[in-house]
Amino acid sequence: ETGVTQTPRHLVMGMTNKKSLKCEQHLGHNAMYWYKQSAKKPLELMFVYSLEERVENNSVPSRFSPECPNSSHLFLHLHTLQPEDSALYLCASSQDLNSNQPQHFGDGTRLSIL
Amino acid sequence: QKEVEQDPGPLSVPEGAIVSLNCTYSNSAFQYFMWYRQYSRKGPELLMYTYSSGNKEDGRFTAQVDKSSKYISLFIRDSQPSDSATYLCAPLTSGSRLTFGEGTQLTVNP
Repeated sequence: ETGVTQTPRHLVMGMTNKKSLKCEQHLGHNAMYWYKQSAKKPLELMFVYSLEERVENNSVPSRFSPECPNSSHLFLHLHTLQPEDSALYLCASSQDLNSNQPQHFGDGTRLSIL
Repeated sequence: QKEVEQDPGPLSVPEGAIVSLNCTYSNSAFQYFMWYRQYSRKGPELLMYTYSSGNKEDGRFTAQVDKSSKYISLFIRDSQPSDSATYLCAPLTSGSRLTFGEGTQLTVNP
């Protein structure tokens, strides 16, 4: 069983829909991350949370809204997305932000915007 | 200039070949270096984790860092079809933040 679980694995939505992506980590980590992975581009860091507080938002449009209710769960709420938002969305966790420990990734949600 | 440059490939080799995957980076402050492997339809999984310059070996895999030239390498010996994946180099910046290269797509043909 993977230490970081993401649901759903696939999501197709229209531009006017509202949906949420869920991430759960079973590693006892204190930091969690959202990334966007598009074809032919490096992973783009979107948000960083440490102990349930958002510590980084990398100029992500407001149509993406993260939520971290506790250190094990992370959500990404989506509304009025654009076709260019179609991508693989990856969640990751690490022990914390300052220990130089590696990040562990889930298998992602493949998002398609119609 | 990108912080991390990685040849995207694709790279195709016969089974049993020695594979060399490379990255260059621009920020001399990078101290820790990761290699992740990503299979199709899966998330990246940590393969190697090295600190500063030098070599680290793990089975058929060797990670090499040359900080003087800002060059990172991953060598795969006796490559297998199961090694077919995309390989991502990722220096660690501040704390646990990663800066990723574009990834190199590798195919090992039986």
